[in-house]
Amino acid sequence: GAGVSQSPRYKVAKRGQDVALRCDPISGHVSLFWYQQALGQGPEFLTYFQNEAQLDKSGLPSDRFFAERPEGSVSTLKIQRTQQEDSAVYLCASTSQARGAEAFFGQGTRLTVV
Amino acid sequence: AQSVTQLGSHVSVSEGALVLLRCNYSSSVPPYLFWYVQYPNQGLQLLLKYTTGATLVKGINGFEAEFKKSETSFHLTKPSAHMSDAAEYFCAVREGNYGNNRLAFGKGNQVVVIP
Repeated sequence: GAGVSQSPRYKVAKRGQDVALRCDPISGHVSLFWYQQALGQGPEFLTYFQNEAQLDKSGLPSDRFFAERPEGSVSTLKIQRTQQEDSAVYLCASTSQARGAEAFFGQGTRLTVV
Repeated sequence: AQSVTQLGSHVSVSEGALVLLRCNYSSSVPPYLFWYVQYPNQGLQLLLKYTTGATLVKGINGFEAEFKKSETSFHLTKPSAHMSDAAEYFCAVREGNYGNNRLAFGKGNQVVVIP
């Protein structure tokens, strides 16, 4: 596609509910990243995929967070038993593998846990 | 681990005046540095980046930044602010290895342009 697409744009979840956030990266981009951006803060790294392989998940804040990219294209970030502190914008980015390559970001999913 | 410091969460600048946003980084390896801009309810858009070579980097919308290794800085400037420059600006440093281009971001500067 022309850019990174994320859905839904907005999600309101009741505390304890499970949510799934989708990212459709730029076609051909091998690398895919998820970031969490709390209100008034910069994005913070969650996890990294190279094709379908999750090579770095050091930023996932708890075992309630799970990400997958089964066919090396679309990725889903799943949050189980959501808590209020999970409220944030979740950004997806994709890049080529070149060192220092530009990351192209989607518009994000704003998750509000009530 | 790499990190980025951006001081002053809110920056007010008069239309036509110089825009200066400061960024200092720490990195254990030669850094790759980026400035991104974020408009309300939008994702991040790359303004400019430094990887190697010329230390003065020009980007989109008239912005430029200079990499100064001795000062571990990568400050962003624009000679004359325009109303459309009102946005949030993030400095970032690459902190991954090999093919992992993960970024560490600063807390951002919210720029307000005063007519």
